[in-house]
Amino acid sequence: DAGVIQSPRHEVTEMGQEVTLRCKPISGHDYLFWYRQTMMRGLELLIYFNNNVPIDDSGMPEDRFSAKMPNASFSTLKIQPSEPRDSAVYFCASSSRLLAGVSNEQFFGPGTRLTVL
Amino acid sequence: GDSVTQMEGPVTLSEEAFLTINCTYTATGYPSLFWYVQYPGEGLQLLLKATKADDKGSNKGFEATYRKETTSFHLEKGSVQVSDSAVYFCALMKSRGGSEKLVFGKGTKLTVNP
Repeated sequence: DAGVIQSPRHEVTEMGQEVTLRCKPISGHDYLFWYRQTMMRGLELLIYFNNNVPIDDSGMPEDRFSAKMPNASFSTLKIQPSEPRDSAVYFCASSSRLLAGVSNEQFFGPGTRLTVL
Repeated sequence: GDSVTQMEGPVTLSEEAFLTINCTYTATGYPSLFWYVQYPGEGLQLLLKATKADDKGSNKGFEATYRKETTSFHLEKGSVQVSDSAVYFCALMKSRGGSEKLVFGKGTKLTVNP
């Protein structure tokens, strides 16, 4: 398996522009997570899905952020409009309780480094 | 709420030195505990885990024991290598009602010099 795939790997945009980050989870995994990593705040869970349904979006910072999972093999995280404080590395991760048993290993993608100027 | 506290570092060691990275947690019930490692420019990878009290997780020479009495899960390695240079994250998971949320510590950067 190719692992969790994220695109783009790097994104540089200007304040006010729309940004869309993409994620393809590992085939067969039924959980998908979006995280944000910054020096100041560390690693934060933004939202996660189970079987394509959003379960917990309490970490989404504000209405400018939205996430979708239209099918089991694709998810997007959108920021509109983007602001400089959104600059961070965004990680997607996936997991499967059925495969892992009691405690779930999350498999992380390589991340998207977002810079908002 | 649930939380994880780990020594923030950075930690700098010479090759073959002994490593300890402290991690303590706050949670009700019986969480599962994890150590993840992040190598430069990459995503996080699971290093080891323990699902109940007194369990010892081990992998690649690293070990950690789930101590419920001290609410700790300290990471240790007897002899570090340059290739162990990375950021290490302690985390807990409580699955209640289907929740799969991982709660991470802030990470500890380890640099091993030859």
